[in-house]
Amino acid sequence: DAKTTQPPSMDCAEGRAANLPCNHSTISGNEYVYWYRQIHSQGPQYIIHGLKNNETNEMASLIITEDRKSSTLILPHATLRDTAVYYCIAYLTGNQFYFGTGTSLTVIP
Amino acid sequence: GAVVSQHPSWVICKSGTSVKIECRSLDFQATTMFWYRQFPKQSLMLMATSNEGSKATYEQGVEKDKFLINHASLTLSTLTVTSAHPEDSSFYICSARDRVLTYEQYFGPGTRLTVT
Repeated sequence: DAKTTQPPSMDCAEGRAANLPCNHSTISGNEYVYWYRQIHSQGPQYIIHGLKNNETNEMASLIITEDRKSSTLILPHATLRDTAVYYCIAYLTGNQFYFGTGTSLTVIP
Repeated sequence: GAVVSQHPSWVICKSGTSVKIECRSLDFQATTMFWYRQFPKQSLMLMATSNEGSKATYEQGVEKDKFLINHASLTLSTLTVTSAHPEDSSFYICSARDRVLTYEQYFGPGTRLTVT
């Protein structure tokens, strides 16, 4: 599975959009981009995933560049409950999830 | 959505004893389950892949004789930490892959193990 690179930490004001970047320059054509988040002392929570096209669900939007070498997770209106570690994973269906170091997002009141 | 449970949610044991952690898929069948370990302020580290009815596959550096994995049914996998030591204290998380929807994988809430 391709390795992903994320900034170690970010801050975001409550109510504003949180844009979390992820680089996956070695991703292969059939690897999906998955995003999970982990709130302290809990199991990872699925957020969203995509292959080529941008995706949106009730939690977030995922923007994948045309060359698929990077992506951005967007939380449109961050709340204090969105404070968590966010993990971007390049995943090949049928394989294991390998977690990188993630981005610690702090939403500030 | 699909639910994965872990039991116990936390456990304290004495050094030298063994402790078993259960991972159950509650509303789906899982031929494959995964076990992760997470130390404070670190990421999840994959320990092993557990396949129903066969031996688990361990990641490099994980002692298979210390971390015994049994996946006896399509809804249950167990991780037994044998002869636990304080350095085994960690947060253990399992995940389960849906037998039918194989692209779906769900995580449990984790088990906090403290070895005194």
